[in-house]
Amino acid sequence: ETGVTQTPRHLVMGMTNKKSLKCEQHLGHNAMYWYKQSAKKPLELMFVYSLEERVENNSVPSRFSPECPNSSHLFLHLHTLQPEDSALYLCASSTELAGGPDTQYFGPGTRLTVL
Amino acid sequence: GQNIDQPTEMTATEGAIVQINCTYQTSGFNGLFWYQQHAGEAPTFLSYNVLDGLEEKGRFSSFLSRSKGYSYLLLKELQMKDSASYLCAVSDSNYQLIWGAGTKLIIKP
Repeated sequence: ETGVTQTPRHLVMGMTNKKSLKCEQHLGHNAMYWYKQSAKKPLELMFVYSLEERVENNSVPSRFSPECPNSSHLFLHLHTLQPEDSALYLCASSTELAGGPDTQYFGPGTRLTVL
Repeated sequence: GQNIDQPTEMTATEGAIVQINCTYQTSGFNGLFWYQQHAGEAPTFLSYNVLDGLEEKGRFSSFLSRSKGYSYLLLKELQMKDSASYLCAVSDSNYQLIWGAGTKLIIKP
């Protein structure tokens, strides 16, 4: 079982669709992250959850809605997206956020295309 | 503002050595990470530096100078499989990772 899995790997959706991205980690970690990766740009942190509580929301538009039902699962619900939201969405997890830098382990990402 | 700079793209020859530089200006410093990302795959952890100096790990080494806000990743005995993007990230005063845009490394035979 790989450490962090994401489904689907590829997603094409229209601007009026509603879809969800799923992330699952099998590492026993307590913190999970959503990142957006666009070509030739730095990773953009979107959301951070620690022990299922959201601790970071970096001014992300409300058309992106995260959900963390337990420490192993993280969802990103999408609705009425824009073409500029097309990107690679990466999920990551780490041991904890307790006051120290922590190596993050990434999933393979979902390549999202918004038409 | 916070900023991480690294070259967009570099080319090197199989068997050679390449150095990928990263400079940073951040609010606080709690360590610097290097990650490798092959096309279409997840970023994977390579190294972490929090003290000045060189950390060696097989063919890869990472150097840090906190006073200069500078790090480099050194790759020796390059192999074709080293073709990838290399991401530099700094943990700031809030332990949030600030990422560079990545350096795409192309290895030629």
